[in-house]
Amino acid sequence: GAGVSQSPRYKVAKRGQDVALRCDPISGHVSLFWYQQALGQGPEFLTYFQNEAQLDKSGLPSDRFFAERPEGSVSTLKIQRTQQEDSAVYLCATREGRNQPQHFGDGTRLSIL
Amino acid sequence: AQSVTQPDIHITVSEGASLELRCNYSYGATPYLFWYVQSPGQGLQLLLKYFSGDTLVQGIKGFEAEFKRSQSSFNLRKPSVHWSDAAEYFCAAEGDYKLSFGAGTTVTVRA
Repeated sequence: GAGVSQSPRYKVAKRGQDVALRCDPISGHVSLFWYQQALGQGPEFLTYFQNEAQLDKSGLPSDRFFAERPEGSVSTLKIQRTQQEDSAVYLCATREGRNQPQHFGDGTRLSIL
Repeated sequence: AQSVTQPDIHITVSEGASLELRCNYSYGATPYLFWYVQSPGQGLQLLLKYFSGDTLVQGIKGFEAEFKRSQSSFNLRKPSVHWSDAAEYFCAAEGDYKLSFGAGTTVTVRA
């Protein structure tokens, strides 16, 4: 398909485990964003990439969260030593450039037991 | 601080009736404004956007929104709702490059 693709759709992990969430952007979209959506809330910004450069990571909740986009396309959000409060839906969004709207994937629902 | 407020947590509307969802923003300058819809287990789908120009914006699925600078508002409307419009609706604002979202309004459509 032509949309933003996220995998896995669902992830269950035990507290303390590391997880990796993947985002495949729309082809040609240089900007990529990660958001965290807690149950019953609106999404909250985590981090922003322009091509391979991570320009803003101010929303990452702790140093356990790490994101990368090494070749300016696929991005991975990694959470180390997961905690129960990390349970949320993680949304990836991409856009072609400035003055363009962000397009969202279906998200990864992460549950930490 | 930049923020987006959706005053209504939950709205119930009859099928065929009109719908209006409220959104207010607090930004230093007029941000770009968006409405997204989210169905259960799905991501966010863009309904419409306002960057500048005409203050009445048409979107997909028969939705429209009106930007009112004096009221710092960007309310979403639909003249006649369908059962398929039942979903969560989010207003969002972009001041630089990242989106700030309201808490969302859940719309229930009754037959």
